[in-house]
Amino acid sequence: AQSVTQLGSHVSVSEGALVLLRCNYSSSVPPYLFWYVQYPNQGLQLLLKYTSAATLVKGINGFEAEFKKSETSFHLTKPSAHMSDAAEYFCAVSPYGGATNKLIFGTGTLLAVQP
Amino acid sequence: NAGVTQTPKFRVLKTGQSMTLLCAQDMNHEYMYWYRQDPGMGLRLIHYSVGEGTTAKGEVPDGYNVSRLKKQNFLLGLESAAPSQTSVYFCASTGTSGNTIYFGEGSWLTVV
Repeated sequence: AQSVTQLGSHVSVSEGALVLLRCNYSSSVPPYLFWYVQYPNQGLQLLLKYTSAATLVKGINGFEAEFKKSETSFHLTKPSAHMSDAAEYFCAVSPYGGATNKLIFGTGTLLAVQP
Repeated sequence: NAGVTQTPKFRVLKTGQSMTLLCAQDMNHEYMYWYRQDPGMGLRLIHYSVGEGTTAKGEVPDGYNVSRLKKQNFLLGLESAAPSQTSVYFCASTGTSGNTIYFGEGSWLTVV
């Protein structure tokens, strides 16, 4: 079975500061891992994904995430926050080579960026 | 390319009414999913399908039914809507590799 835990339902940073959004997963098989962003009243946009290639994954808008198997983590980072990064972020896991390919989501982290 | 299309985008229902949400994908994907999104709970899987003619229950299936009569379409039905079903509904699809999952733009449903 797979599950995702996102630590911190709300994170607030100052503009220009480091963004760190935490995600830990549980999976009985090698996982695919995803980060999605959702702006108010909009759909989901894929930021980046880990699909068993390089452990450091670079995504859109300057975000990146590192897959750490030993820590079962896939934290999302961005060196310098921008006001436009304010949104809700979701981590998700899917079993690699699974029979259903279904995504299991975390509960989300709402990122606020202060001027 | 249309990708994953959901209709309708917005709907207001009265308690007890029925309705169907349609999800259509044009990528010949085997797998299709319906999620609901509620504040503080992320996206939770309602039902899914691993191929034409198949359906299976997800995490929160009660009060919903689904059908996959055609490979490209996945219908979500509410037989007797309840206020607890007020939510945003997302459809998604993926191919057999599962390494890229495509989402629709969401359907906002309010039950009064």
